[in-house]
Amino acid sequence: DQQVKQNSPSLSVQEGRISILNCDYTNSMFDYFLWYKKYPAEGPTFLISISSIKDKNEDGRFTVFLNKSAKHLSLHIVPSQPGDSAVYFCAGSSGNTGKLIFGQGTTLQVKP
Amino acid sequence: SAVISQKPSRDICQRGTSLTIQCQVDSQVTMMFWYRQQPGQSLTLIATANQGSEATYESGFVIDKFPISRPNLTFSTLTVSNLSPEDSSIYLCSVEVWELAGRPEGETQYFGPGTRLLVL
Repeated sequence: DQQVKQNSPSLSVQEGRISILNCDYTNSMFDYFLWYKKYPAEGPTFLISISSIKDKNEDGRFTVFLNKSAKHLSLHIVPSQPGDSAVYFCAGSSGNTGKLIFGQGTTLQVKP
Repeated sequence: SAVISQKPSRDICQRGTSLTIQCQVDSQVTMMFWYRQQPGQSLTLIATANQGSEATYESGFVIDKFPISRPNLTFSTLTVSNLSPEDSSIYLCSVEVWELAGRPEGETQYFGPGTRLLVL
């Protein structure tokens, strides 16, 4: 049972445009969602998180939207830059366990 | 935030041997975790490393194969025992940090750079 799903394995966007990465989840107990960026030879880098009691969180070029009724969240990157090219993971966290359940990841390519 | 280091960064091991990975954090943290990322896969939680008590393992992971130590609030080790080629993965430790004020607010988990293991 995959509790967190990223159905798009890859996404290609032109530099300066918006990148939208999507994530769906099935576990209603998640109370936090986190987005990470990962380069091949490095550990995941934290980008932004959102509490389940909010529907939007913004930090610079990154905005995460949460639609609880649809069990869907999305990460918007505006404007996209070539350095944003990486694998993006969304993850859900429930209760006070701190355990993260990750999606499969989406590879973003930003073309100059 | 938290700065996390891992040793070794990579290793090549023979089948049947063991590898111990160290994770050091620059501040005291309550929650530390160990994850695995197999080739082409997502990250999977192995266990929660509890300070002063045994680790809590996820389904499919057992202490005999993945013994974990957590002697204090800034350090943990993960041993991968009796290695087989299927253990070839990236192993990552992470820590949970709660920011009550400032950015980022709320729950955050920071990851180490990972240990890339190849078993021949």
